[in-house]
Amino acid sequence: EVQLVESGGGLVKPGGSLRLSCAASGFTFSSYSMNWVRQAPGKGLEWVSSISSSSSYIYYADSVKGRFTISRDNAKNSLYLQMNSLRAEDTAVYYCARDRVKSVTPEFDYWGQGTLVTVSS
Amino acid sequence: QSVLTQPPSASGTPGQRVTISCSGSSSNIGSNTVNWYQQLPGTAPKLLIYSNNQRPSGVPDRFSGSKSGTSASLAISGLQSEDEADYYCAAWDDSLNGRYVVFGGGTKLTVL
Repeated sequence: EVQLVESGGGLVKPGGSLRLSCAASGFTFSSYSMNWVRQAPGKGLEWVSSISSSSSYIYYADSVKGRFTISRDNAKNSLYLQMNSLRAEDTAVYYCARDRVKSVTPEFDYWGQGTLVTVSS
Repeated sequence: QSVLTQPPSASGTPGQRVTISCSGSSSNIGSNTVNWYQQLPGTAPKLLIYSNNQRPSGVPDRFSGSKSGTSASLAISGLQSEDEADYYCAAWDDSLNGRYVVFGGGTKLTVL
């Protein structure tokens, strides 16, 4: 069974940093591209970042470019999101999502349960 | 303001057929495939349709997708109470600045 479990969310002050993790199991992690998608309270979905299976291709939304860094460790079956210079508008539930195929696409077939990040003083 | 435009709400009665539209431009829907997600209250999104009209395993054939030009549609036939959810379209957007995944603002479907 495919499982994606996010962790690392919490309360952080504006300008602070946080590192999210996503532990994957039930599939060959190194064969799939992975993604982060967020959802602000009461709002719609917003794509944050994507990384290909071998980390060769990485994409970011303009809203996080230069502040967030996506990475993965295929040996540990884990996806990460390093978030720096956090702002109030980054407050959201952050979902880890798997691509349906090996290449990076907007076809996210499995999602984690999400981890809440709250940026507030 | 989302790059892909969806109606904020839609409704129907049980058994009815409902369609949800998703309007974009030549840089996204016009040149890339469209995907649809269903988000039930309090849960993570679920992939409903990929590559314009393909259903993942386990998705009922009551759900169908189509694309024409710079617009796409999700149709739900034989509407059921459990279909009450938020629906989002998504696609790649290829701009001069790079490649981005864009979502529609979402459509809240109410089953009356």
